[in-house]
Amino acid sequence: QVQLQESGPGLVKPSQTLSLTCTVSGGSISSGGYFWSWIRQHPGKGLEWIGYIYFSGTAYYTPSLKSRVTISVDTSKNQFSLRLSSVTAADTAVYHCARGGGVGAHDFWGQGTLVTVSS
Amino acid sequence: QSALTQPPSASGSPGQSVTISCTGSSTDVGTYNYVSWYQQHPGKAPKLMISEVSKRPSGVPDRFSGSKSGNTASLTVSGLQAEDEADYYCSSFAGTNILFGGGTKLTVL
Repeated sequence: QVQLQESGPGLVKPSQTLSLTCTVSGGSISSGGYFWSWIRQHPGKGLEWIGYIYFSGTAYYTPSLKSRVTISVDTSKNQFSLRLSSVTAADTAVYHCARGGGVGAHDFWGQGTLVTVSS
Repeated sequence: QSALTQPPSASGSPGQSVTISCTGSSTDVGTYNYVSWYQQHPGKAPKLMISEVSKRPSGVPDRFSGSKSGNTASLTVSGLQAEDEADYYCSSFAGTNILFGGGTKLTVL
């Protein structure tokens, strides 16, 4: 059973960079046919796709955040990471990592981690 | 690309059926048979209920079914049970992008 766990600071100051890591267990991040996503959920709101990465390092981002987002992968640690720069209060959300299959369905999710942007 | 459109709420009594719609466009839902549906209980991670429009992952009750017509996908929950009360989100793979709907709160009366 694949498991994902997010980790990182729960509080980030405005204008700084949000950094989160997702550790994958129970399966290899290098397994073909999957991609690894970051998805966020503003308090009381719906899901927002941020971006995803293949184990090869090829990444895709949602257009609205593309200028501020970087997703990277470390296959040796079975981890992938999210960096979101120049954060504002509008970036306060629960951030989930998830595994996606070739047809875009996310079958395994992390529990999510709340990141608050505040001074 | 805009988010997919879902009704904010839906409801039904135990044993009844409820259908939740998800409207996209010809560049996402209308083109790709890559619509998935997620169930999310409060404070929990989303759970995949339907993939590829109508496929149920192992362990998902057959009370949950999906379909698509044109630019609109639908999730039907038959034989409503109390534990089905949750938020439901649709999603579509659109080329290299992924879109989510705004979510529908399903209430079991």
